[in-house]
Amino acid sequence: EPEVTQTPSHQVTQMGQEVILRCVPISNHLYFYWYRQILGQKVEFLVSFYNNEISEKSEIFDDQFSVERPDGSNFTLKIRSTKLEDSAMYFCAALRGGHTGELFFGEGSRLTVL
Amino acid sequence: AQTVTQSQPEMSVQEAETVTLSCTYDTSESDYYLFWYKQPPSRQMILVIRQEAYKQQNATENRFSVNFQKAAKSFSLKISDSQLGDAAMYFCAYRSSNFGNEKLTFGTGTRLTIIP
Repeated sequence: EPEVTQTPSHQVTQMGQEVILRCVPISNHLYFYWYRQILGQKVEFLVSFYNNEISEKSEIFDDQFSVERPDGSNFTLKIRSTKLEDSAMYFCAALRGGHTGELFFGEGSRLTVL
Repeated sequence: AQTVTQSQPEMSVQEAETVTLSCTYDTSESDYYLFWYKQPPSRQMILVIRQEAYKQQNATENRFSVNFQKAAKSFSLKISDSQLGDAAMYFCAYRSSNFGNEKLTFGTGTRLTIIP
């Protein structure tokens, strides 16, 4: 069973629509991350989340993005009004074993904005 | 800010041969972690190997080993006895050891092709 599960695996949406990507860790992870990979490009950091609040975010993570962990289990990334350039693979990652531990990635959610 | 550079966008190797992927990084920190991740066509990020900067000994994981040169800020990955399943994108990544700054900074990746 994977350490981190992401849903959906692929979502197609119209520009301007809201999208929610979900991440479920299975172990006692404390730190959570979202990364983005535009097709053919490198993996970019979006945001880190610790103790139910954002600990760091990149310049990519603007007001269109938000994260939360509403039920203590699911970790979600919301994009309020999607743009064409939001089309990418979104990876959730969780750090187990404290801030020096191993980082486990989910299988990714592919977002296609039309 | 830390940067990670992978100067080889593509590499190829004959099956069963050895290949080395290059990575350099820039940081002002003295303690940090370095990683190699593999991304097969399925797009999942799989940890290949990890190196702590305070350790002088190079990390090894079966057929995978690194050449960590801290002074030169170099972190290359050697894959021995290459197999068809090794074909993937390989990303070098840096992570600070400072609490509250655990994000990974990735290089641009090297696409490895295995020739049968």
